[in-house]
Amino acid sequence: SQQGEEDPQALSIQEGENATMNCSYKTSINNLQWYRQNSGRGLVHLILIRSNEREKHSGRLRVTLDTSKKSSSLLITASRAADTASYFCATAAQGGSEKLVFGKGTKLTVNP
Amino acid sequence: EADIYQTPRYLVIGTGKKITLECSQTMGHDKMYWYQQDPGMELHLIHYSYGVNSTEKGDLSSESTVSRIRTEHFPLTLESARPSHTSQYLCASRPGAREQYFGPGTRLTVT
Repeated sequence: SQQGEEDPQALSIQEGENATMNCSYKTSINNLQWYRQNSGRGLVHLILIRSNEREKHSGRLRVTLDTSKKSSSLLITASRAADTASYFCATAAQGGSEKLVFGKGTKLTVNP
Repeated sequence: EADIYQTPRYLVIGTGKKITLECSQTMGHDKMYWYQQDPGMELHLIHYSYGVNSTEKGDLSSESTVSRIRTEHFPLTLESARPSHTSQYLCASRPGAREQYFGPGTRLTVT
């Protein structure tokens, strides 16, 4: 079964607002990653956070990781219409699993 | 943009036909993956490979088969397509334990 579960399933905001998506997982992880998928395309890697890190930034993206709660959040600040996409979290299990486990995704719509 | 390619991008085919979805990467990655993605967005891992001559079944049972004769090439074959195989198929590769690079996907429709 899928380990990552994103929340909410869908999010609609206005341009300029911040968007926050959450991800929960079940087992111990080596790292957690966030991906973006534009409609009809493949996924693009956004950011990776290791299990010993609590926060990471990349441009307008901020990711937090709370291993005690087995959860992560992705914050997109000052959103743009071009941020409209689906966002997925993926976990790499501790012990060096060769497989990433993806969540069901959050569909973000940014209205101009 | 990652150097991972999938062909065809779109395929409409009749029931019972044999099809092969191509996936190639030029990054020299040992690990490669095939995912099936439903319209509801969830990705299901159907096959993966650690390297040449290595293939494993994923978490979702699939009637497809894969081969890995060369590092850069990881084709997926359906011997007899059925309407239930209609889906988007995504190929990915990965260097070591880091992020995955995805191809653009093949959208398959079986009529």
